Amino acid sequence: DAKTTQPPSMDCAEGRAANLPCNHSTISGNEYVYWYRQIHSQGPQYIIHGLKNNETNEMASLIITEDRKSSTLILPHATLRDTAVYYCIVRGRNAGGTSYGKLTFGQGTILTVHP
Amino acid sequence: DAGVTQSPTHLIKTRGQQVTLRCSPKSGHDTVSWYQQALGQGPQFIFQYYEEEERQRGNFPDRFSGHQFPNYSSELNVNALLLGDSALYLCASSLGQGRPYSPLHFGNGTRLTVT
Repeated sequence: DAKTTQPPSMDCAEGRAANLPCNHSTISGNEYVYWYRQIHSQGPQYIIHGLKNNETNEMASLIITEDRKSSTLILPHATLRDTAVYYCIVRGRNAGGTSYGKLTFGQGTILTVHP
Repeated sequence: DAGVTQSPTHLIKTRGQQVTLRCSPKSGHDTVSWYQQALGQGPQFIFQYYEEEERQRGNFPDRFSGHQFPNYSSELNVNALLLGDSALYLCASSLGQGRPYSPLHFGNGTRLTVT
């Protein structure tokens, strides 16, 4: 799986948009970008994933550059409850076509939302 | 709609003992993966089960074994516990065949302490 690079920490004011960058310059054509977050003492929470088009759901938006070498997760109106470690993960598929269970977690970005 | 459930939530064992952790996948999911998360680190992939067989394995010794039942629930067994096995053990479920990019959904884990 391609390696990702994220800033170790970021701050954001409550109510403002949080933009979390991720670099995945070695991503290959069949690999998707996934974002998870983990609040202390809980399991990782799935946020969003995409291949090459921008994606949006009720939690966030994912912007992937045209060359797919980087992406940005956008939390449009950050709240204090969004304070967490955010992981950007690149995921492929195994040869058999079944779900590729191995997610490789890096150190992630610690996002702190301030009042 | 129940998410991924794990039991027990906390467990204390003595070095050399054996432990069994249990996981029920999210409704509709048929694939289960297990992860180990040491304090301050990102989760590390242990293995994945689909159709009651181990499909992928991470870099963990044979002391770590698992099982998947016909109802898709799963167990993680660890033999000959070491102090270094103290960690949060996470179970994740997803859709398998035909949905290789199905997101993994995680439970809140079992906190294992080995003394």
